[in-house]
Amino acid sequence: TQLLEQSPQFLSIQEGENLTVYCNSSSVFSSLQWYRQEPGEGPVLLVTVVTGGEVKKLKRLTFQFGDARKDSSLHITAAQPGDTGLYLCAGFSNTGKLIFGQGTTLQVKP
Amino acid sequence: EPEVTQTPSHQVTQMGQEVILRCVPISNHLYFYWYRQILGQKVEFLVSFYNNEISEKSEIFDDQFSVERPDGSNFTLKIRSTKLEDSAMYFCASSETNSYQPQHFGDGTRLSIL
Repeated sequence: TQLLEQSPQFLSIQEGENLTVYCNSSSVFSSLQWYRQEPGEGPVLLVTVVTGGEVKKLKRLTFQFGDARKDSSLHITAAQPGDTGLYLCAGFSNTGKLIFGQGTTLQVKP
Repeated sequence: EPEVTQTPSHQVTQMGQEVILRCVPISNHLYFYWYRQILGQKVEFLVSFYNNEISEKSEIFDDQFSVERPDGSNFTLKIRSTKLEDSAMYFCASSETNSYQPQHFGDGTRLSIL
């Protein structure tokens, strides 16, 4: 069974701080995706990483896929209150269904 | 930007009743999915649907559940004889060409079983 474990589960920081969220598995994934979910809404895709070692940047967010394609990280620089939300990593199983991590709840205090 | 829409946003039902959750996927998408998120837990895959048939289903998707594409736009999830533990957020998603393409999610239906 393919599982994705995210850490930390909860993170509360001050505006302007940097943070990193981790997504780990013992299984290889063909790609990993990061979603952000606001209360009362569905997950919104932020990025897909496909190649081992790949780094993608989305403004202040930096996503990295591990060389072995078993892990990924999301780094946010100079966090802002608007970054508050639930961040989910997800990977495709070998049959094409999405497997989600349990999520990281981020709170950025002004 | 096209989006997946789900109705109703909140459904309250007595235990044992049947519910139908409705979804309108993005119009040119061919693959459709239902996921469930119990409060405080992971988003879990329920079922995928392509070419008018189920492609894959999880162990959660037992005989109590069924999906249907009754016309060219709607995609429904029916839950028969609901149980308390069916209370959750149900998300519909769609993807364009195959199941490995990015999946676009609706805002979900909150199902509350009393």
